[in-house]
Amino acid sequence: KAGVTQTPRYLIKTRGQQVTLSCSPISGHRSVSWYQQTPGQGLQFLFEYFSETQRNKGNFPGRFSGRQFSNSRSEMNVSTLELGDSALYLCASSLGASMNTEAFFGQGTRLTVV
Amino acid sequence: QQQVKQSPQSLIVQKGGISIINCAYENTAFDYFPWYQQFPGKGPALLIAIRPDVSEKKEGRFTISFNKSAKQFSLHIMDSQPGDSATYFCAATKTGNQFYFGTGTSLTVIP
Repeated sequence: KAGVTQTPRYLIKTRGQQVTLSCSPISGHRSVSWYQQTPGQGLQFLFEYFSETQRNKGNFPGRFSGRQFSNSRSEMNVSTLELGDSALYLCASSLGASMNTEAFFGQGTRLTVV
Repeated sequence: QQQVKQSPQSLIVQKGGISIINCAYENTAFDYFPWYQQFPGKGPALLIAIRPDVSEKKEGRFTISFNKSAKQFSLHIMDSQPGDSATYFCAATKTGNQFYFGTGTSLTVIP
């Protein structure tokens, strides 16, 4: 069974640009969550999508947005990049069923903003 | 307000020893407490998890101890091996909601 796939693995962008990251969850999983990981702040929750709807949202500015497609694949977009957006962006997939909370992470996308 | 507090920040253990990492949480509504292991350049991998209706869960060399009244839980790694050297994160969530992660513990197991 394939794991969570994130693409691309590495990205270098310039301040002010925008970026789109992709996440393909484990087959059958309907929930995708996104996290930002930095040395100083640890793992910070961005948002969660379930069946194409944003179900939960963290405390990030509106420059961070996402969406989920009917096949459960998800994309995350960051507009007007800032130096502080440099981080490892992780997505996690889970079944999303009410009593199953096991979440499995992808390897992440390392974003560097210069 | 940090929902989950993790300690220590770093830990050095001799091979064969016991590694113990502690976490404390605030929200009594949390009902799922996983531990993740992360190697450099990799995403966190689910190691073991517990729900508050049990006080202990063991899987191989890894054990979670859970104290509901104290709102604390800990990870014990028995017979620690150099291959266990990684960063460990505890987390907590209420089913259907976001995960709150601890700040991580960098474990080094010395041969």
